[in-house]
Amino acid sequence: SAVISQKPSRDICQRGTSLTIQCQVDSQVTMMFWYRQQPGQSLTLIATANQGSEATYESGFVIDKFPISRPNLTFSTLTVSNMSPEDSSIYLCSVPPAASTDTQYFGPGTRLTVL
Amino acid sequence: KNEVEQSPQNLTAQEGEFITINCSYSVGISALHWLQQHPGGGIVSLFMLSSGKKKHGRLIATINIQEKHSSLHITASHPRDSAVYICAATDQGAQKLVFGQGTRLTINP
Repeated sequence: SAVISQKPSRDICQRGTSLTIQCQVDSQVTMMFWYRQQPGQSLTLIATANQGSEATYESGFVIDKFPISRPNLTFSTLTVSNMSPEDSSIYLCSVPPAASTDTQYFGPGTRLTVL
Repeated sequence: KNEVEQSPQNLTAQEGEFITINCSYSVGISALHWLQQHPGGGIVSLFMLSSGKKKHGRLIATINIQEKHSSLHITASHPRDSAVYICAATDQGAQKLVFGQGTRLTINP
């Protein structure tokens, strides 16, 4: 199993500022995913973070807005840059199953409100 | 049309009722996940299945690969089961998830 922690758990930020969200996993994982869940919506994949290479972004998400770091196999950060109220969401990191009988693991989420 | 569709979007029931949430998908998948999200936002993975049926306590998940359909059942429902239940498919050939829009379940005492 994998235990994932995220910091901060929630934050209220001003328009135009940036926030960095940290994700820590208690085991080494190759892939980490960052998701966004806008109010009342389901989850949308922002990017896949692989250690040792640049993150792969999904359509509609760009590195300048959501830079990602992946310095080692247990840690990743997502920065939400130049924030606007539309960025108010829950941001979650996730790791895939380690085996075919395992399950997907999610962090507790970071609830971001942009004023 | 979404690649993963859930029904119903909202479901309210009385404590003790048998609950069924349905999920249909149009993509080729390697696995189907059922997730539970409580109001605080945290997500718990309930099941990952690629065939047949799995059971954990009062929860049962089934999948029919030919029909591209999965169901989540809750027996003897309880108010603490109130949450959003999300169906998600692991894209065949990748490990990222494609999510349904979620079913908001409310169990009244």
